[in-house]
Amino acid sequence: AQSVSQHNHHVILSEAASLELGCNYSYGGTVNLFWYVQYPGQHLQLLLKYFSGDPLVKGIKGFEAEFIKSKFSFNLRKPSVQWSDTAEYFCAGLSGTYKYIFGTGTRLKVLA
Amino acid sequence: GAGVSQSPSNKVTEKGKDVELRCDPISGHTALYWYRQSLGQGLEFLIYFQGNSAPDKSGLPSDRFSAERTGGSVSTLTIQRTQQEDSAVYLCASSLRPPNSPLHFGNGTRLTVT
Repeated sequence: AQSVSQHNHHVILSEAASLELGCNYSYGGTVNLFWYVQYPGQHLQLLLKYFSGDPLVKGIKGFEAEFIKSKFSFNLRKPSVQWSDTAEYFCAGLSGTYKYIFGTGTRLKVLA
Repeated sequence: GAGVSQSPSNKVTEKGKDVELRCDPISGHTALYWYRQSLGQGLEFLIYFQGNSAPDKSGLPSDRFSAERTGGSVSTLTIQRTQQEDSAVYLCASSLRPPNSPLHFGNGTRLTVT
């Protein structure tokens, strides 16, 4: 990916609501895509990744993302959010073999 | 095991002063990255190390910024003659073998230039 964009900067949901965070990338050869999460007061950590194969990728804590090549998208989803999912979520793509390009992030707040 | 350690966690400096930010990666991780996160911005790539060498310095914003890595381990990011626009959170990450191994991030150094 040469660039990564995230549409939603702030999202507020109630517990048990479904979540979908948008991520689009610009094509740049081999597509390697990631979602990272930063919980309050913690460091960034990997949620899930897509390299090839099944376009529906499952990650930790019930998150999944779907790679849709025709839409250049890699949206993050969770059927039912919890208060503990309050965090900032970053989509990232790989440019070349080592350079990670990050989106601007989406701050998710889940109301108990 | 120990994660990526960054120091200091917070740094306030006066405009024009030099600062050094330190990163201790996870032992054995050959790849090391520096990113900058400004308010409302994403993570901006600064520099990538593979071992002690830096094959990609393309993200360094100006010649006031430099970084080195010694012994394939500790890295130091130096900013000379700091400016207010340098205020940001500076993140370090390490990886065993990108991209197959994930990035492990430190907690960052919050730099404030007054």
